[in-house]
Amino acid sequence: AQKVTQAQTEISVVEKEDVTLDCVYETRDTTYYLFWYKQPPSGELVFLIRRNSFDEQNEISGRYSWNFQKSTSSFNFTITASQVVDSAVYFCALSEAPPNNDMRFGAGTRLTVKP
Amino acid sequence: EPEVTQTPSHQVTQMGQEVILRCVPISNHLYFYWYRQILGQKVEFLVSFYNNEISEKSEIFDDQFSVERPDGSNFTLKIRSTKLEDSAMYFCASSKTGGNTDTQYFGPGTRLTVL
Repeated sequence: AQKVTQAQTEISVVEKEDVTLDCVYETRDTTYYLFWYKQPPSGELVFLIRRNSFDEQNEISGRYSWNFQKSTSSFNFTITASQVVDSAVYFCALSEAPPNNDMRFGAGTRLTVKP
Repeated sequence: EPEVTQTPSHQVTQMGQEVILRCVPISNHLYFYWYRQILGQKVEFLVSFYNNEISEKSEIFDDQFSVERPDGSNFTLKIRSTKLEDSAMYFCASSKTGGNTDTQYFGPGTRLTVL
């Protein structure tokens, strides 16, 4: 069965610090997809990134970067030079190959960036 | 940019009443989903829908839940006889192709409060 673990329930940093949010997953499939979503205080879920299991290249998008390591079943997310607007709950999620097409979310990490 | 919309944003109902939550997925998307998030907890998959039928559902999606695409644009979630524990944020999502191979975009959510 697929499972996503976000061990950090809450992280608090001061603006401009770098912060890494951890995500560890379990799956028996060789084909799967990993996602990060941001849930700001307003409550919506904002898509950040999707990664498939065959692409282990790390990705950088502005201040955001993702480190996918199949060897450790991890898909960690780093925010560089954090800003107050980054304060949100961040969810890591996993979906497996068809026929299963649900997405399993981790418990989320609440990030607070203080000015 | 096209987005998923949901109405109402907040619904308050009495226990035992029926509620219908409405979603308008992104227009060229073919797969539709409902998720729920009990306050402070993780997002949980309820059901996926494709080609006018349920393609997968979770153990949460019992007989009191149903989904429908009554016309070409709306996608609804009906809860027949609400219980206190149904109080949650309900998110609709859609994807162009099967969720595993494509990104699911979420609506802003409907907060359901059952009294």
